[in-house]
Amino acid sequence: DVKVTQSSRYLVKRTGEKVFLECVQDMDHENMFWYRQDPGLGLRLIYFSYDVKMKEKGDIPEGYSVSREKKERFSLILESASTNQTSMYLCASSTSETQYFGPGTRLLVL
Amino acid sequence: AQSVTQPDIHITVSEGASLELRCNYSYGATPYLFWYVQSPGQGLQLLLKYFSGDTLVQGIKGFEAEFKRSQSSFNLRKPSVHWSDAAEYFCAAFHSGNTGKLIFGQGTTLQVKP
Repeated sequence: DVKVTQSSRYLVKRTGEKVFLECVQDMDHENMFWYRQDPGLGLRLIYFSYDVKMKEKGDIPEGYSVSREKKERFSLILESASTNQTSMYLCASSTSETQYFGPGTRLLVL
Repeated sequence: AQSVTQPDIHITVSEGASLELRCNYSYGATPYLFWYVQSPGQGLQLLLKYFSGDTLVQGIKGFEAEFKRSQSSFNLRKPSVHWSDAAEYFCAAFHSGNTGKLIFGQGTTLQVKP
């Protein structure tokens, strides 16, 4: 079975802090994705990566950056966290068309 | 623009009753289609997918979905709902011409009455 893990299930951070969300997949997938999920807004794509050191902006990249130094790991970085980044963050990986999701990280920015 | 629509934001059914969740897509060509389920506080789990061939696809947890090209629909069904099916359900579409991104519907929240 595909396994996608996220480093934290819950995080509480202060405004202005630098926040790292880590995602690891064990299936040698080329593609990895970061989404945020908010009530009434569904899933919105932040960034995705189709290869090591490659990244593409999604629909809402502002305020975020990503890093993919190894194939299995895709990190989402909030350079200076703000309260409007309080959300559920979901990571996914895929070989081509089928995405497999991690359990999510619920981030609260105070 | 390519889109996926789930017309029902919230549905309530009684335990043991049948279920149908609606999904419509707007694409120039038939995309690959998916249904995911999300239990509270969890990530998304793949229920089933349709790429081509038989238009009735079987998934996990007793779910099935039927692709109807004429209606641009991919509705999810279950003959008898269990209390543990209460969750949020997402329909999604993939088209290779869309840089490989999934397009998600807004989701349908299913509540199951005892």
